[in-house]
Amino acid sequence: GQSLEQPSEVTAVEGAIVQINCTYQTSGFYGLSWYQQHDGGAPTFLSYNALDGLEETGRFSSFLSRSDSYGYLLLQELQMKDSASYFCAASLDTGRRALTFGSGTRLQVQP
Amino acid sequence: DTGVSQNPRHKITKRGQNVTFRCDPISEHNRLYWYRQTLGQGPEFLTYFQNEAQLEKSRLLSDRFSAERPKGSFSTLEIQRTEQGDSAMYLCASSSMDQPQHFGDGTRLSIL
Repeated sequence: GQSLEQPSEVTAVEGAIVQINCTYQTSGFYGLSWYQQHDGGAPTFLSYNALDGLEETGRFSSFLSRSDSYGYLLLQELQMKDSASYFCAASLDTGRRALTFGSGTRLQVQP
Repeated sequence: DTGVSQNPRHKITKRGQNVTFRCDPISEHNRLYWYRQTLGQGPEFLTYFQNEAQLEKSRLLSDRFSAERPKGSFSTLEIQRTEQGDSAMYLCASSSMDQPQHFGDGTRLSIL
């Protein structure tokens, strides 16, 4: 089957840096996306990696290593509003448009 | 660009009833997706349309579920003879070509 593993919860303080890891076991793999979801809200796209390496978008960066079946989301200069759930999601091949999501990591930012 | 719009936001119904949800994608997006999300889990893919053609369906989409996108614009998801296990958030997303999927706020379904 297809699975993406993430830590269930992470806690950090305002202004700090936090890394949320995602390991995947899938029968195919095309790319890894990251989404943020506040309670009661819609998942919001943050970042996407199709190639190995680091993608930077403002305070958020995402990394992918295909050889290790591993990626992470890095959040810098944490703010209280970053408290939310974060999901990694895999695109399994070019012909499939469905995203396969992990179970999510709940980030709590403390003052 | 007003984002992906879903209606209703909440639906409460009795077991055995039929329900229908509507999704209006971002206007220039030709791809539309339906997902289901239960508490504490990530969204699970249900089905995908490119324009009016339904190109992919998950095994989660039992014969009680049907989705349409008749004119390649809005889409509807119908659940017939609802069961307790259908209680979930139903999310719609849209995208253009291979761009990221943009999600709506979802329809929360509660089965009594």
